[in-house]
Amino acid sequence: NAGVTQTPKFRILKIGQSMTLQCTQDMNHNYMYWYRQDPGMGLKLIYYSVGAGITDKGEVPNGYNVSRSTTEDFPLRLELAAPSQTSVYFCASTRAWRDHEQYFGPGTRLTVT
Amino acid sequence: DAKTTQPPSMDCAEGRAANLPCNHSTISGNEYVYWYRQIHSQGPQYIIHGLKNNETNEMASLIITEDRKSSTLILPHATLRDTAVYYCIVRVGAGNMLTFGGGTRLMVKP
Repeated sequence: NAGVTQTPKFRILKIGQSMTLQCTQDMNHNYMYWYRQDPGMGLKLIYYSVGAGITDKGEVPNGYNVSRSTTEDFPLRLELAAPSQTSVYFCASTRAWRDHEQYFGPGTRLTVT
Repeated sequence: DAKTTQPPSMDCAEGRAANLPCNHSTISGNEYVYWYRQIHSQGPQYIIHGLKNNETNEMASLIITEDRKSSTLILPHATLRDTAVYYCIVRVGAGNMLTFGGGTRLMVKP
């Protein structure tokens, strides 16, 4: 199993541009999450999904959108990039609510200038 | 949600045991204690979890006090590769959204 994969690894955006961060997991996990991590800080939850077709907001959802059309994929969309969205983005998954481990991807480092 | 308190940083000599404390005085009876670590901007990695009893796996041991208000993560023989930020998290289950605070930055020195 590849686990949780994210693309791209790095990206530089200009203010106002849009992009989609890709996240895929091959473990048949129902739950998927998007976190962001600003320099020197802990992770903050952006959006999460409990299954295909079901998504909900986390702590910091403004400026982002998500969709979950399949169990495997959970893309994160930035519509109008702002410097405040410069961060490292992590995708994670877990099989069920009562499971004990979240599996994290390697992250996408995004810079908005 | 139970909040956790961890020291911001700790040092440990290579080969010695690293003992990382965590206070969670408002923990509920059905909440687990989880430990994750993050090595140099990589994705966080699960280490261990426990409810009431002490737990051990191939990576670490977790000691939870009898009143469950605090715990200690023990890395028995720390190596340079254990240098990382360690997060103590209290949750009902991993499906529940994880809240990462500041964690403890562990520096293992030769």
